[in-house]
Amino acid sequence: NAGVTQTPKFRVLKTGQSMTLLCAQDMNHEYMYWYRQDPGMGLRLIHYSVGEGTTAKGEVPDGYNVSRLKKQNFLLGLESAAPSQTSVYFCASSYTTQPLHFGNGTRLTVT
Amino acid sequence: AQSVTQPDIHITVSEGASLELRCNYSYGATPYLFWYVQSPGQGLQLLLKYFSGDTLVQGIKGFEAEFKRSQSSFNLRKPSVHWSDAAEYFCAVAPYSGGGADGLTFGKGTHLIIQP
Repeated sequence: NAGVTQTPKFRVLKTGQSMTLLCAQDMNHEYMYWYRQDPGMGLRLIHYSVGEGTTAKGEVPDGYNVSRLKKQNFLLGLESAAPSQTSVYFCASSYTTQPLHFGNGTRLTVT
Repeated sequence: AQSVTQPDIHITVSEGASLELRCNYSYGATPYLFWYVQSPGQGLQLLLKYFSGDTLVQGIKGFEAEFKRSQSSFNLRKPSVHWSDAAEYFCAVAPYSGGGADGLTFGKGTHLIIQP
């Protein structure tokens, strides 16, 4: 039972490049989330999904897109990366309400 | 909208001493409350949660937290800290209604340093 798995663990992008972060969970959870973590800012919600085929905006959605084509996967896309998107990205999932189960994070640097 | 305040950015405690990390929330109704811990390079691990009932909740690793509605607080405590407790601690809140589907709101975290 792997829980929540994020790939890749590290990535360096140049400004303007695109990439997709993958989150996979094997707990049959309905709800999935993408957060970003920045020093002194805590975790801020980017987008979330309450089920397969659904997505919704969180607190800081600009510059990101998401898709939930399969229940177990939640993808976070950056179409044109900017230095302000340098951050650590965490995926989480949950069944009905709380608590959230977190992945180990993806450290993204945009130069 | 709900919010969470962790007043202490850094706290230094001697090994074996007691610990209290403060958390205040702003929410109009009864919230779900959580404490998570994050070790360096790791994701967040749930320490404990409060949904309802007994206002003193026990968690993993010897931690406990007390919900005080009158003070809008949910402080985390441990009687005797160990060097392995050095980490970042996050308090979080979710609305009681709506199933919490729109995720948790996190405080900015408290960095705990343990002195030998």
